[in-house]
Amino acid sequence: QVELVQSGAEVRKPGASVKLSCKASGYSLTSFALNWVRQAPGLGLEWMGSINTGNHNTKFSQRFKGRVTLSIDTSANTAYMAVSGLRSDDTAIYYCARPITSYTEDALDIWGQGTAVTVSS
Amino acid sequence: DIQMTQSPSLSASVGDRLTITCRTSQSVSNDLHWYQQKPGEAPKLLIYGSSNLQGGVPSRFSGSGFGTDFTLTINSLQPEDFATYYCQQTYTSGTFGPGTRVHFK
Repeated sequence: QVELVQSGAEVRKPGASVKLSCKASGYSLTSFALNWVRQAPGLGLEWMGSINTGNHNTKFSQRFKGRVTLSIDTSANTAYMAVSGLRSDDTAIYYCARPITSYTEDALDIWGQGTAVTVSS
Repeated sequence: DIQMTQSPSLSASVGDRLTITCRTSQSVSNDLHWYQQKPGEAPKLLIYGSSNLQGGVPSRFSGSGFGTDFTLTINSLQPEDFATYYCQQTYTSGTFGPGTRVHFK
């Protein structure tokens, strides 16, 4: 069964960093790209960025450039997203999701269950 | 960046035919997809490439459009269809629309 399993909830203080994981199960992570999407409480979906799991190339929404790092560990079949300089408005559910085709950005048909990140002093 | 617009909410009744619209600020060809999200759940892909029904999605859902104007149609709305619907363009990166909440009339 193809699925993405994400790490558990995190709580951080403003200015701190967090690193979230997304483990692929039922397929090889390098067969498809991975996208990251977040959703603040009561708000809509926000596309953050993507990683080509073959060549490790990354692309980011302008508002996350310089603050978000995407990486993969092929031996663990796991992708990671690190966010630095956390602010209270980074409080959100963070999802990893797999595109439906081999394109880096495409319709997202497999989603992780989400990781809740709370930023609070 | 490509801007996306959707109606913020729609009220409907079971059995209604519902049309949800999505407009982009520049052409995205047919790189436009639709998702359904219910509270506490991850989004679910309904339609990809403007008009292609994702496997397992009921045939009452359909999509159309090209360029900048797109629609998601739900024929004979069912109780489980009351949810929030998002469009997403992947022509350039992966911007989501603001979402349309479908609620009981």
